[in-house]
This record gives sequence, C-alpha cells and structure tokens, in this order.
Amino acid sequence: GENVEQHPSTLSVQEGDSAVIKCTYSDSASNYFPWYKQELGKRPQLIIDIRSNVGEKKDQRIAVTLNKTAKHFSLHITETQPEDSAVYFCATTSPRNYQLIWGAGTKLIIKP
Amino acid sequence: KAGVTQTPRYLIKTRGQQVTLSCSPISGHRSVSWYQQTPGQGLQFLFEYFSETQRNKGNFPGRFSGRQFSNSRSEMNVSTLELGDSALYLCASGAGYDYNEQFFGPGTRLTVL
Repeated sequence: GENVEQHPSTLSVQEGDSAVIKCTYSDSASNYFPWYKQELGKRPQLIIDIRSNVGEKKDQRIAVTLNKTAKHFSLHITETQPEDSAVYFCATTSPRNYQLIWGAGTKLIIKP
Repeated sequence: KAGVTQTPRYLIKTRGQQVTLSCSPISGHRSVSWYQQTPGQGLQFLFEYFSETQRNKGNFPGRFSGRQFSNSRSEMNVSTLELGDSALYLCASGAGYDYNEQFFGPGTRLTVL
C-alpha cells in the first residue's frame, strides 16, 4: 500500500538556524501534502499545505516545496525560534480514497 | 465556532473490559477520523467515517470498531481491552469530501490496567 517516509526522526538545530524535514511518498497519484505541528501535550495542528499543481508555498518563516518527479516534499523553517520545538508530521492523500497517509514524525529541538 | 470535542478526556479500564469513546466534530463537518497515539509514536490511523459510512480503515484488529451518527458525531469502541491499548485516542474532523484541513480534538487518554 501507499506509505510516507519521513526523515530525520529527530533534528536538533541552533536557535536562529534553518531546519529542513523531508518526506518521500510512493503513490504517484498523491496530490495533497499537509504538514502538522504537535507541541508537547497538545493536539496536532495544520501549519501549511500544498497541492500538486504548486511547487512551493511560503508562509512567513515556513515553506513547503514539492518535487513530483522525485515524489518528495520538504518543510523548511527559517530563523528557528524556541516555540518551533515540536513534533512535525507530514502527510499525503490521493484521489483514490482521500485517506491521509502520515509520516512517522520528526522531533525538532531548538537549542538556545 | 466550537472546536472538536472528545469525551471522556481520561479513562481507566482493566484488561478484558470494553470502552466507548465519543467525538463531536465541528458543526457542519461530515468527516471524522480516529487515531491512536502512544508516547513517542506517530499517528496510527484507525478509521474514517464520512456521512455515516466508513470510508477508510487502518490495520487494527477487529476489536476496534466505530460508527458515525446522522449528526456526524462518532463513537469508537474497543472490546476485550489489552494492556497495549493504553494510548491517547485522537479524533479529527474535516469539512468536505476531499482534501481539507483536519481539526483535531484534545484526545481521550485511555489507561488499561
């Protein structure tokens, strides 16, 4: 079945530096790619999403890029801040069944 | 607009018992998905309901079941509880039939003794 691989599982960066998390998917029909952030003890929340007809989307310090040929998409966070510390999940879905397939998550640690 | 609510928030059961969890989606949302999350683990998909029909199902044993009512509220049932069922159970609601933001509830923390 369809799966999503997310790397790295843990990422530690210095405050102010950039962080990049990458996800690779298997279903070429996938056309929706959201990213969710889950802070400790809280529920996951959507932070940015992209559809397959767009290659890149930005929202202030975060951006998502999509490479449909290579079947991977990435989350970029610039000028990281302590509040960026959280677990980030990527996901994808296809028109076959509209089921969200989730990555395993990346724990992002921002070092002061 | 009120957010997704889940009841109860905390539950303690013993092995062999059964449990029912409830999820009320955002008003107007027709899709409800259920997830199991254990410490340090990701979101394990249980099933998704749309307009009272189970649309997708994850790889969980038949002890896990669910349903959705005409008002879009959903329930999840786990029978013959095992220690390994201890987890945070999250539900998420979505507005439409296809791709859309999932709004998560606060979760129900289930402990099986």
